[in-house]
Order: sequence, then structure tokens, then C-alpha cells
Amino acid sequence: DVKVTQSSRYLVKRTGEKVFLECVQDMDHENMFWYRQDPGLGLRLIYFSYDVKMKEKGDIPEGYSVSREKKERFSLILESASTNQTSMYLCASTGTGSVETQYFGPGTRLLVL
Amino acid sequence: QKEVEQDPGPLSVPEGAIVSLNCTYSNSAFQYFMWYRQYSRKGPELLMYTYSSGNKEDGRFTAQVDKSSKYISLFIRDSQPSDSATYLCALGGSYIPTFGRGTSLIVHP
Repeated sequence: DVKVTQSSRYLVKRTGEKVFLECVQDMDHENMFWYRQDPGLGLRLIYFSYDVKMKEKGDIPEGYSVSREKKERFSLILESASTNQTSMYLCASTGTGSVETQYFGPGTRLLVL
Repeated sequence: QKEVEQDPGPLSVPEGAIVSLNCTYSNSAFQYFMWYRQYSRKGPELLMYTYSSGNKEDGRFTAQVDKSSKYISLFIRDSQPSDSATYLCALGGSYIPTFGRGTSLIVHP
């Protein structure tokens, strides 16, 4: 079974802090994604990566950056956290041979005070 | 018009009922169709996927796709309280699917 893990289930941070969210997958998947999920807005794509050191902006990249130094690891960085970044953050991965099926991590619930 | 429309609910049904969850879409380029289930405070998990029009069955779950009407459905037979979750449809034509906003389902004993 594919396993996607995220570094934290819950995080509380202060406005202006730099925040790192980490995602690791164990299935040698090429593609990795970061979403945020908010009530009434559904899943929104922040960034994705189709290879090591490659990244592409999603629908809402402002205020975020990403890093993919190793194939299995994809990090989301909030350079200066703001209260409107309070959300559920979900990481997902897919393999090139099965791009239609995204495997999600358990999510990180971030609260920015 | 959003690419994928899904009624957020909540949909409340008694245990044992047949549940119908639906999505409509506007982009005829979508080629694959998926349903995810998401329990509260968890990540979505893939429930079913299909490429073609018609029905696909897996236990109590049936996914139905009507490409001519741009309409997809998920049916749950003999619904159980453990089916209470949010169900998201997802449609794709490339390697980034488009998700519906999800329908909240509550199955009460």
C-alpha cells in the first residue's frame, strides 16, 4: 500500500513565523502535490512537483514556497505565516503510470495566531 | 460556471438507505473519474475510479458515469453509520485532477 506521511498532524504558529510542512511518500512516486482544504472552498492546489528539484505553481501559490531535494520528500514553506493561512494542508502523490489516482497523507491542521 | 459542481449537503439518511451522490461537470475533455472518501480530520482516500461511461461496482459501492450528460454518480447500498464522511468526486484529463467540493453524508442509526 502507498503510504504518504506528513510531519505533523496539528501545528500552532504565530503570525510572521516561518513554517515548514514536510511530506514523505514511500512508493517512488514522481509527482507530489500540496493542497489546502477550507470549508466551502474544497481542495485548492498550492504547488506540485513532477521531479526532483522541479516545481510548478498551482492555483494559489502566493505566500508559499516548496522544496523537493529528494524524490520521496516534498516540503511546503510558509515564509511568514499569516492568519489567513490557517487551514488543513494535504500532501498527495501519484506515479507516472497511474497519474489519475492521488494518494493523500493524513493532513496537517495549521492554526496561525 | 465551475468545472465541477457538487452539492455540499449535508445529506442525512437512515441506516440501510440507498445513497446517491452526484457531480456534474462542464469540460468534455475529462477522461477519468474518481470518488474519494474523507473522514473527519483525515486525508481523502481513493474509493473508486473509472475511465469509461457506464457502471463500475465494488461491494456496496457503484460508480456511474454518463459522459453524454456530463454527470457522475456514486451509489451506496445498505448504508452504514461508518459511511458517514465527506465524498469528493475528482475528474481528470491530465495528471492533475479537478476536485468537487465534496458532499457531507450522515448515516444515522
